Amino acid sequence: GQSLEQPSEVTAVEGAIVQINCTYQTSGFYGLSWYQQHDGGAPTFLSYNGLDGLEETGRFSSFLSRSDSYGYLLLQELQMKDSASYFCAAHSGYSTLTFGKGTMLLVSP
Amino acid sequence: GAVVSQHPSRVICKSGTSVKIECRSLDFQATTMFWYRQFPKKSLMLMATSNEGSKATYEQGVEKDKFLINHASLTLSTLTVTSAHPEDSSFYICSQGGSRLDTQYFGPGTRLTVL
Repeated sequence: GQSLEQPSEVTAVEGAIVQINCTYQTSGFYGLSWYQQHDGGAPTFLSYNGLDGLEETGRFSSFLSRSDSYGYLLLQELQMKDSASYFCAAHSGYSTLTFGKGTMLLVSP
Repeated sequence: GAVVSQHPSRVICKSGTSVKIECRSLDFQATTMFWYRQFPKKSLMLMATSNEGSKATYEQGVEKDKFLINHASLTLSTLTVTSAHPEDSSFYICSQGGSRLDTQYFGPGTRLTVL
């Protein structure tokens, strides 16, 4: 089975940098994805790590360490519109995803 | 990325009735689609994997006779909640895998309220 742990809530101010951590216990793990979900909306894909290291996509970066069963999402130059829930998701099998419980990010002025 | 639509976006029904939710892939032929359920402020829970032309694969604990899935074409999968009860009220979201294994594209979701 799969289980993922991430903080339930993180707060930050505009312009700041925030890191959302995710630890996982999985079988058949081969990658970690991050999704953003605004209240009432659908999840949207942000980033994927199949290999150890850092992946950068604009203001968002994601990191994976397989040896530590750990990853994080880094959000830079925070904007109000970044207030949302962020989910890490572990891949096992063809496109099979197991989601963490989500981290609600609150960005204040 | 792929575009996925769902219909209806919201539905309110009486207890005991059945509700059908459609998930369409608008620009990609999806042999596999996924159905998730999400309670307020909770995570997405995979309910089943819908396979075009064959039976769906259900996750442990999901009643296949209650949540009927049909994937008759490469662009349409349907989820029917049969004999709905108030505890079935939830946000149901479908997704499809993209051409890359690392990405899923989600539909906008259907909010079901059972009175």
